[in-house]
Amino acid sequence: QSVLTQPPSASGTPGQRVIISCSGSSSNIGSNTVNWYQQLPGTAPKLLIYRSNQRPSGVPDRFSGSKSGTSASLAISGLQSEDEADFYCAAWDDSLNGVVFGGGTKLTVL
Amino acid sequence: QVQLQESGPGLVKPSETLSLTCTVSGGSISIYYWSWIRQPAGKGLEWIGRISTSGGTNFNPSLKSRVTMSVDTSKNRFSLKLNSVTAADTAVYYCARDPGGYTSTYSDYWGQGTLVTVSS
Repeated sequence: QSVLTQPPSASGTPGQRVIISCSGSSSNIGSNTVNWYQQLPGTAPKLLIYRSNQRPSGVPDRFSGSKSGTSASLAISGLQSEDEADFYCAAWDDSLNGVVFGGGTKLTVL
Repeated sequence: QVQLQESGPGLVKPSETLSLTCTVSGGSISIYYWSWIRQPAGKGLEWIGRISTSGGTNFNPSLKSRVTMSVDTSKNRFSLKLNSVTAADTAVYYCARDPGGYTSTYSDYWGQGTLVTVSS
């Protein structure tokens, strides 16, 4: 049981916009920034969004992040086949004094 | 370009200690936090803990009693020890660099991961 809650799966067709949600509590998302990671099959996770809405250099602007209250979202617009991957949200938890991850969302491009 | 590389035994016997090292190249280890994350096959990511170059640590409460971390700035590397391992500790172990602040932390560079299997 993960501290942050994500839907186990999401899907969309090429060109579509997909949103992946991440729900937490006041001790994590409610008081700290959220990060998103993309993990392509057989590879290490890659930082996609940090500090809730910042994109590292090299990440396309098709990916965007937002946070409101104790929830966060990752939006992917102009969906491409190469976006098919697992996506994880993460945040610092003040109560646990550590990083907590969501269970991950498997994105399928139909 | 910063690169991280995990190294250590791929097979550990139950009840023994898992020991991994992460060597950092292309940048200094003397700043930031340095983390360990693991992922059992087919499952999600689990944060193990992190260490700062001043030696400060934070650990996952569920692993805290079994985890030790250290940093060697002279060799630009940091290490993880997990004792009393069981089959449940079998996973791919990743090391990562965390340049953010204490709570605004994020992992921007990751190692490729190393599979550690706990089995007799």
